[in-house]
Amino acid sequence: AQSVAQPEDQVNVAEGNPLTVKCTYSVSGNPYLFWYVQYPNRGLQFLLKYITGDNLVKGSYGFEAEFNKSQTSFHLKKPSALVSDSALYFCAVRDGASGSARQLTFGSGTQLTVLP
Amino acid sequence: KAGVTQTPRYLIKTRGQQVTLSCSPISGHRSVSWYQQTPGQGLQFLFEYFSETQRNKGNFPGRFSGRQFSNSRSEMNVSTLELGDSALYLCASSVTGGGNTIYFGEGSWLTVV
Repeated sequence: AQSVAQPEDQVNVAEGNPLTVKCTYSVSGNPYLFWYVQYPNRGLQFLLKYITGDNLVKGSYGFEAEFNKSQTSFHLKKPSALVSDSALYFCAVRDGASGSARQLTFGSGTQLTVLP
Repeated sequence: KAGVTQTPRYLIKTRGQQVTLSCSPISGHRSVSWYQQTPGQGLQFLFEYFSETQRNKGNFPGRFSGRQFSNSRSEMNVSTLELGDSALYLCASSVTGGGNTIYFGEGSWLTVV
């Protein structure tokens, strides 16, 4: 079985400061990891993904994430937060080893608030 | 390139009725999956279709069903609606499984009264 944990329901950060949204995962095979963002009353927007290769992945809107296999983590980061980054962020995993587990399993989400 | 399109965006149904939601995937995408989002349960996988075949199904009762057409468009149906079915239903598409990016639509907001 695959699972994702986002340990923080809420993260507050001041505008201009770096932000981190945490994610840990569990899969039996190799993980395919994704970050999505959701604005109020909207669907999910893809930010970035890790499949293989470089552990530091760069994505949309200046976001990046670091894959750490030993800690089974995939934390989302941004060097300088903007008020417009305030939204709900979801980490998701798909098990690359299991042909049947094609669905994404999502974390519970982290509400990011960037304070002006 | 158009994104994933879902219709209708908002709907209100009465308990006991049925509802059909529609999804048009991104052109060229053959995999379509559906997710339910609620405040209490978060995002939960419903089912996935590829080339008109259901490849995977989540842990939902048989009242939830879906299908995919030859043009990859998909519909999901919920029969005998319950109050707890009120949710945002999200459709997503990708080229196929594996590491391919899954793109989501704006969702269909279903309220059951």
